Amino acid sequence: GNSVTQMEGPVTLSEEAFLTINCTYTATGYPSLFWYVQYPGEGLQLLLKATKADDKGSNKGFEATYRKETTSFHLEKGSVQVSDSAVYFCALDAGNNRKLIWGLGTSLAVNP
Amino acid sequence: ETGVTQTPRHLVMGMTNKKSLKCEQHLGHNAMYWYKQSAKKPLELMFVYSLEERVENNSVPSRFSPECPNSSHLFLHLHTLQPEDSALYLCASSQATGTVNYGYTFGSGTRLTVV
Repeated sequence: GNSVTQMEGPVTLSEEAFLTINCTYTATGYPSLFWYVQYPGEGLQLLLKATKADDKGSNKGFEATYRKETTSFHLEKGSVQVSDSAVYFCALDAGNNRKLIWGLGTSLAVNP
Repeated sequence: ETGVTQTPRHLVMGMTNKKSLKCEQHLGHNAMYWYKQSAKKPLELMFVYSLEERVENNSVPSRFSPECPNSSHLFLHLHTLQPEDSALYLCASSQATGTVNYGYTFGSGTRLTVV
C-alpha cells in the first residue's frame, strides 16, 4: 500500500545551521508530494509541493526535490532561524485526490 | 475573511454534553475534511465531503456526527464523548480537479478536552 516514512525527531539545531528532514515514500504510479508545517498552537500550512519526478518545490528558503529513483522528497534549508521551529509533515497523494497519506511528523527546534 | 476558519479554538466538555465544532471555508473549494490530531499519533482522517456528499468515513465512532449543509460549511457534532477523544480537531478544504491535488488548506483547529 501507499505510505510515507519520515525521520524521527526531535531535531535540534542552532540558528543558521543546515537542515535536512528525510522523507521516503511507497506508492504506485506517480504521486504528488507535499511538505506541510505546523507552528505551535496552529493548524497545518502547505509549505511546498511537487507533482512530478525531478520537480523542485520551494518556499521560504525551504526546498525539496521529487526523486523517483530513490522514492524520496527530503526537505532542506540552508540556514534555519528560530522562527522555523515547528513540526514538519511529509505527505503524498497517490491519485485519489481527496485523500493524502501522511508521515508522522518531525519536530524541529532551533536555538538562538 | 479568508482561508479556513474553525470555531471554537478551545472547548472543554463533560462526557454527557453535546457540542458542535464549526468550520467555514472562503476559498471556493469543493472538498472538506475532518482530521483528528493526537499526541504521538499520525494524523487521522475522520470524514471527507466532496460536493457536499460524504465520501469517506474512516470507522469513526457514532458519537462523532458530521454535517455539511453547503460547500462552505462543515460541522462536527459531538455527544457522549470519552476522555480519549481529547485531541486537536482540524478542518481542511481542497480543490480537487481531475487527478491533480493542489494541497489542503487547514484551519487552526479546535483543541478539545473531554473531562
